[in-house]
Amino acid sequence: DAGVIQSPRHEVTEMGQEVTLRCKPISGHDYLFWYRQTMMRGLELLIYFNNNVPIDDSGMPEDRFSAKMPNASFSTLKIQPSEPRDSAVYFCASTPTPGGFPGANVLTFGAGSRLTVL
Amino acid sequence: AQSVAQPEDQVNVAEGNPLTVKCTYSVSGNPYLFWYVQYPNRGLQFLLKYITGDNLVKGSYGFEAEFNKSQTSFHLKKPSALVSDSALYFCAVRDIAHTGRRALTFGSGTRLQVQP
Repeated sequence: DAGVIQSPRHEVTEMGQEVTLRCKPISGHDYLFWYRQTMMRGLELLIYFNNNVPIDDSGMPEDRFSAKMPNASFSTLKIQPSEPRDSAVYFCASTPTPGGFPGANVLTFGAGSRLTVL
Repeated sequence: AQSVAQPEDQVNVAEGNPLTVKCTYSVSGNPYLFWYVQYPNRGLQFLLKYITGDNLVKGSYGFEAEFNKSQTSFHLKKPSALVSDSALYFCAVRDIAHTGRRALTFGSGTRLQVQP
């Protein structure tokens, strides 16, 4: 398996532009997570999905952020309009339905998408 | 609520010496505890986890961690550090009691620098 695949790896855009980040989870993993990493705030959970359904989006900063998972093999995180404070590395991670210990399964992370908003 | 603290932003150790990266947690119930490592320009990679049973957990690359319930700690250790161990290390916790929420809470990360 190629692992969790994220694109683009790097994105530089200007304030006000729309940004779309993409993620392909590992086949068979039915949980998908979006995290954001910054120096100031560390690693923050933005939203996660189970079987393509958003379960918890309480970490999404504001209405400018939206995430979708139209099918089991694809998810997007969209920022519209983008602002300089959105500059960060955005990670996608996936994990399968837990077995004997719900919640104890390991996340597999993608390589991340580094976003710079000028 | 669940939280995790990594009190050291950076740990410096000489190659060949033992290393410890500290982590303390707070949960209302019992915890699942994890350590992940992040190399430059890479995503986080799983090192080890504690679920139940033996308090000493062994993981990848010679790392181990000890679960101490009385001190609510889960420190990461390695007997002999390698330069290649230099990376950013994250501790993470999940409260078993929160069965409806499967997300981990990550610490702020500790940068490990191993000098040759």
